[in-house]
Order: sequence, then C-alpha cells, then structure tokens
Amino acid sequence: NAGVTQTPKFRVLKTGQSMTLLCAQDMNHEYMYWYRQDPGMGLRLIHYSVGEGTTAKGEVPDGYNVSRLKKQNFLLGLESAAPSQTSVYFCASSADREPSPLHFGNGTRLTVT
Amino acid sequence: AQSVTQPDIHITVSEGASLELRCNYSYGATPYLFWYVQSPGQGLQLLLKYFSGDTLVQGIKGFEAEFKRSQSSFNLRKPSVHWSDAAEYFCARRDGYNKLIFGAGTRLAVHP
Repeated sequence: NAGVTQTPKFRVLKTGQSMTLLCAQDMNHEYMYWYRQDPGMGLRLIHYSVGEGTTAKGEVPDGYNVSRLKKQNFLLGLESAAPSQTSVYFCASSADREPSPLHFGNGTRLTVT
Repeated sequence: AQSVTQPDIHITVSEGASLELRCNYSYGATPYLFWYVQSPGQGLQLLLKYFSGDTLVQGIKGFEAEFKRSQSSFNLRKPSVHWSDAAEYFCARRDGYNKLIFGAGTRLAVHP
C-alpha cells in the first residue's frame, strides 16, 4: 500500500497564479485533512473532510478551497497565490473511528514569488 | 481553545545521552495525545499515542512518553539517543473528527 500520496512534491508559482494540490489515499479512510507547516508554528489545519462530498474549514482556511469528489482524493486549490502561502503542505487521512491517528503524506513544498 | 505547548524550540544532546522533550496541553476532558517525528524532507511518522489506561506508553524506535494529568504534560523520553534520532518532534492532541492540534515542534540535534 502506498498510504497517502501527494502530488506534486515541489512547485514554484508567481503571485496571482493558481494551482491544485492532489492528495490520494488507499486506506479507505473517511477523514482527510490539509495542513500547512511553517517554521516555528508547527502544523496548522487548513480544511478537512469527514466523507465524500463534505468539506469544512480549519484554523487557516482563507485563500484556499478544497473538494472531495471521490473518497480517496482530497484536492487543495489556490485560486490566486500570494507570497504568504509559501509553505510546506501536508495531506493526512484517518479512519472515522475516534480516536484514531493520522497518516501523513510526504508533503508539497510550495514557493510563491 | 485547546492548545499544545512545546517549550523547547531546539535541543542538542550527545549520542548515547538520555533525552526528554517536553509537551504541555491545555486542560480538557480526556485528552488524546500523540507524538510524531519528522525527518528532514519527510512527512510525519507516528511515534506513540495515549488514549487511556497505563500512563506510560511505549512507542517505536525506543521512545516512551508519560501522561501526567496533574501537570497537563505528556513528555517524550528516550534513555539513549542515536545519531539517527536527529529530527523534529511534534506533540499533538486530538480535536473533534480526529483533527490534530500541534505544538510548534522541537528540533533535536545529536552530537557524535
């Protein structure tokens, strides 16, 4: 099993450009999450989903949109990238039994110039 | 609001020395607590978790953590550190729908 797979691994954008980060999990997990990691701030939750077709805002949702059209995929979109969105983005998934640990992808490093 | 505090941003230890990384959580009913490790350029790997029961929990790679409700702490320990333990360590507590609230992390350096 691949677990949680994120694409791409690296990306450089110019201010105002848009892009979509893809997360795929093969563990049949109901819950999926997008976090961003910034130095000295740990990981902060952007958006999450508790099942196919559902999404909800996390701690830092502004400037991002998400979609969960298929259970195994969770997409994170930036409509108009800003330098403040330069970060490392992590996708995670978990079973819907609570509590359960999260399983993380290897991250996407995004730079906005 | 629930929060997690890791007071030490950087820690340096010598190889073979013991290690303790501190974690404090804000008061709340029955906290579910985790420690994750992140090697450079990698994702987060679960070291151990506390849900209930025995307050001393064992994890992978020889790590253990002790839950102390009276001190609102969940400190991570290892009796003898190896050079390969150099990484960043995150303490986290569960919120609803298994969402995690993370501390800021502690970066561990190991001197030979």
